[in-house]
Amino acid sequence: AQSVTQLDSHVSVSEGTPVLLRCNYSSSYSPSLFWYVQHPNKGLQLLLKYTSAATLVKGINGFEAEFKKSETSFHLTKPSAHMSDAAEYFCVVTPDAGAGSYQLTFGKGTKLSVIP
Amino acid sequence: DAGVTQSPTHLIKTRGQQVTLRCSPKSGHDTVSWYQQALGQGPQFIFQYYEEEERQRGNFPDRFSGHQFPNYSSELNVNALLLGDSALYLCASSLKYMLGNRFPITGELFFGEGSRLTVL
Repeated sequence: AQSVTQLDSHVSVSEGTPVLLRCNYSSSYSPSLFWYVQHPNKGLQLLLKYTSAATLVKGINGFEAEFKKSETSFHLTKPSAHMSDAAEYFCVVTPDAGAGSYQLTFGKGTKLSVIP
Repeated sequence: DAGVTQSPTHLIKTRGQQVTLRCSPKSGHDTVSWYQQALGQGPQFIFQYYEEEERQRGNFPDRFSGHQFPNYSSELNVNALLLGDSALYLCASSLKYMLGNRFPITGELFFGEGSRLTVL
C-alpha cells in the first residue's frame, strides 16, 4: 500500500519569496510521484512528475521538486512566489513506475496563499 | 483541442435518489478514471475504465458503478444516495499505451473541472 503525507495544510508566503510545500511518501514499491495543482473551481493540473529518472524534477511555472529516497520526501519548491500561484497543491503517489497504475493516491492538499 | 469535459457542473439530489455524471475524455485518450473529492480532502480513486471494462477499483461500494462507451466517453452512476456522497466528482483521461509502445503510461492524467454533487 502507498500513502502520502503533506505536512502543512496551509502555507502563506509573500509575493517574491520562496515557496516550500512538504510531502513525505510511503510505498512498498519504487514509486512514481507527482504534484498536481488545483485553482478554485478548476480541475487538477499536473505540475511535475518523478518516474525514477533524474531525482531533481522541473515542472511548469518555475516549480521543481527533489526526490529523496533516504528521507522518503518529495518537497515542492519555487524560488519566487507569484500571486497566480495561490491554489491548492496535492502530492500524489502511484506504487510502481512502470505498472501503468491509474490508482493515484492523493495527499490531503496544501493551500498556498500569496500575500501581495 | 477540447480537454476533458464533464456534465453537469452542479446538481442537487435528495437521499435515496440516483445520479448519473458524464465525462468526455481529451481527444486521443482512451482511458477514463473517476475520483471523488470531499470538501477539504484530496481526491479518492473510484474506478478506471479502459476498452469499455472496469480495470481497477478503489474502496467504494457497489452503489458506485460506471460505464465506458465505444467513443471512450464514460458515465458514473451512484444509486441510493447518502448525505456523505456530497462531493466534487472528477473525471480524468489518459492514454493507456503510448503510441508505438506496449508499456502503459503512469500518471499522465488530464482532469475535467468536475461535477459538484450536493445530497440533501
